[in-house]
Amino acid sequence: GQQVKQSSPSLTVQEGGISILNCDYENDMFDYFAWYKKYPDNSPTLLISVRSNVDKREDGRLTVFLNKSGKHFSLHITASQPEDTAVYLCAAGDAGYQNFYFGKGTSLTVIP
Amino acid sequence: DTTVKQNPRYKLARVGKPVNLICSQTMNHDTMYWYQKKPNQAPKLLLFYYDKILNREADTFEKFQSSRPNNSFCSLYIGSAGLEYSAMYLCASSRRGNNQAPLFGEGTRLSVL
Repeated sequence: GQQVKQSSPSLTVQEGGISILNCDYENDMFDYFAWYKKYPDNSPTLLISVRSNVDKREDGRLTVFLNKSGKHFSLHITASQPEDTAVYLCAAGDAGYQNFYFGKGTSLTVIP
Repeated sequence: DTTVKQNPRYKLARVGKPVNLICSQTMNHDTMYWYQKKPNQAPKLLLFYYDKILNREADTFEKFQSSRPNNSFCSLYIGSAGLEYSAMYLCASSRRGNNQAPLFGEGTRLSVL
């Protein structure tokens, strides 16, 4: 079965608003989480990652929230801009074992 | 150089013929990954090397081989390509304990005819 799931295939947000992207995972052993940005026909670019010893990490307009008991993490993008329009992939894995699995992605569209 | 390099960018193969894809990095990363990406699907982890140890996913165990002759280089080998192997193949690398998720190369688009 799929180890990492993104239940929303798409999301549309008004410019200046907050984009919230969600991700669920199955394996209790996962302790390493990340978000990537992907354009069509390009490879994923790492945006932000977090270990399970924290429940939140901020980097500029990006914030990752981690809910380990719910096996859920999310990416919040504040002050969303049209340039944020892309597919966002979440990923999770076991940092000790080094496996790393991806979700299908959520296509974010930011409308001017 | 903080990039992962993949060769070639595009590859055409015939059904039944072998395919060898190449990946390299000079960041001294101890882990190198291969993913298969098809349209509207998640990047699928095929296998990864941690140092010299190869880990292959159970559902693709028999379909893909790999070698890592040194820390910088990793290949993905398909012994007999089928139409279903047409996809983007993404190589990534990371360093255990670096608190940084894998970084990706630009990918090799494989078309099997």
